[in-house]
Amino acid sequence: QQQVKQSPQSLIVQKGGISIINCAYENTAFDYFPWYQQFPGKGPALLIAIRPDVSEKKEGRFTISFNKSAKQFSLHIMDSQPGDSATYFCAASITGANNLFFGTGTRLTVIP
Amino acid sequence: GAVVSQHPSWVICKSGTSVKIECRSLDFQATTMFWYRQFPKQSLMLMATSNEGSKATYEQGVEKDKFLINHASLTLSTLTVTSAHPEDSSFYICSAKELAGRYNEQFFGPGTRLTVL
Repeated sequence: QQQVKQSPQSLIVQKGGISIINCAYENTAFDYFPWYQQFPGKGPALLIAIRPDVSEKKEGRFTISFNKSAKQFSLHIMDSQPGDSATYFCAASITGANNLFFGTGTRLTVIP
Repeated sequence: GAVVSQHPSWVICKSGTSVKIECRSLDFQATTMFWYRQFPKQSLMLMATSNEGSKATYEQGVEKDKFLINHASLTLSTLTVTSAHPEDSSFYICSAKELAGRYNEQFFGPGTRLTVL
């Protein structure tokens, strides 16, 4: 059973455009929602994370929007660049528990 | 800060041999380390969780006798793939949770590509 559902599976965006990746969850006990960026042949790197007490968090060109009532959160990449081409994973966890539940990943391609 | 290293970055071995992969937290102490397996174009699959000085907890379906995990110190965990077979070929990634860290933030290593011939 997939605890975190992620869409789309792949995404192609023009340079300068906005990339949007969506995730949804069912477990209301989740209280930590990170996004990871992974380049081919490399491990995932933490990009940005949010807790449910805020509805939005912005770091540079990356923004997480969080909708607690809908149990959804999304990653927005503004002014997308070819260097952003990677696979993005959303995840969710419960503070105090160990497991991170990952989404299935979104392969983003930014074309020049 | 919060750097995790893995060694080796890639390894090729013959079927039937054992391979050891090291995971180190370089600039922090890790209470808990995790081992993941990732197939091409797929998400990360948690294999096991290890705490320093205690036995690892394996996820359902992961053979503990095949994938031996040792968490000898707060900065080192090892994964040994015993009697490796071609189906064990995969990308293995470790992560670590900081002793004094907030929430459930995990820092990932760069991964180890294992190819079993």
